[in-house]
Amino acid sequence: SQQGEEDPQALSIQEGENATMNCSYKTSINNLQWYRQNSGRGLVHLILIRSNEREKHSGRLRVTLDTSKKSSSLLITASRAADTASYFCAADEGFKTIFGAGTRLFVKA
Amino acid sequence: EPEVTQTPSHQVTQMGQEVILRCVPISNHLYFYWYRQILGQKVEFLVSFYNNEISEKSEIFDDQFSVERPDGSNFTLKIRSTKLEDSAMYFCASRWREGHEQYFGPGTRLTVT
Repeated sequence: SQQGEEDPQALSIQEGENATMNCSYKTSINNLQWYRQNSGRGLVHLILIRSNEREKHSGRLRVTLDTSKKSSSLLITASRAADTASYFCAADEGFKTIFGAGTRLFVKA
Repeated sequence: EPEVTQTPSHQVTQMGQEVILRCVPISNHLYFYWYRQILGQKVEFLVSFYNNEISEKSEIFDDQFSVERPDGSNFTLKIRSTKLEDSAMYFCASRWREGHEQYFGPGTRLTVT
């Protein structure tokens, strides 16, 4: 399978709840990035975590990276209806960046 | 805030025609990329470009595709003879250096009829 596979494929939660998305990859990476995409729109960069980092925070976002398990997670705390979007991890391998299939998050108001 | 721009936002072309998709990366960035996203599918890496040459390309990026940085600001993707299956959203991206964030443009929706 491809690098950067996310699970779950879809997630539906209530506003105020936390959302956790997971990503796995196959080979060694330099960095891992997370992006958000609203339907039919461009990719918005959320956060980058380097291979020598284990955790990173940005506002309501928390990203972890476990290079021994080749996995990463994105946690969105206190979700809002505006967080409804698709979320992708993207693994940087040399000069190539491989995206996962994404998690579709729906936050109900 | 600087951003990656792409033109046109939507391009319709007939099968067999050549198309050129244009991108203006963020001005001090050194690494440039093209990706495509077929409707409802994942974003696929096409090519990366650094120091005026291709750094890496995917299996998708065959002889029908080429990239060019014709001047100090533009970065183009050319598809020589479009096929129906080339219909997709094409994204350009740039980053200042390896290990730094990669920023994406809004995309060009290519429709091949």
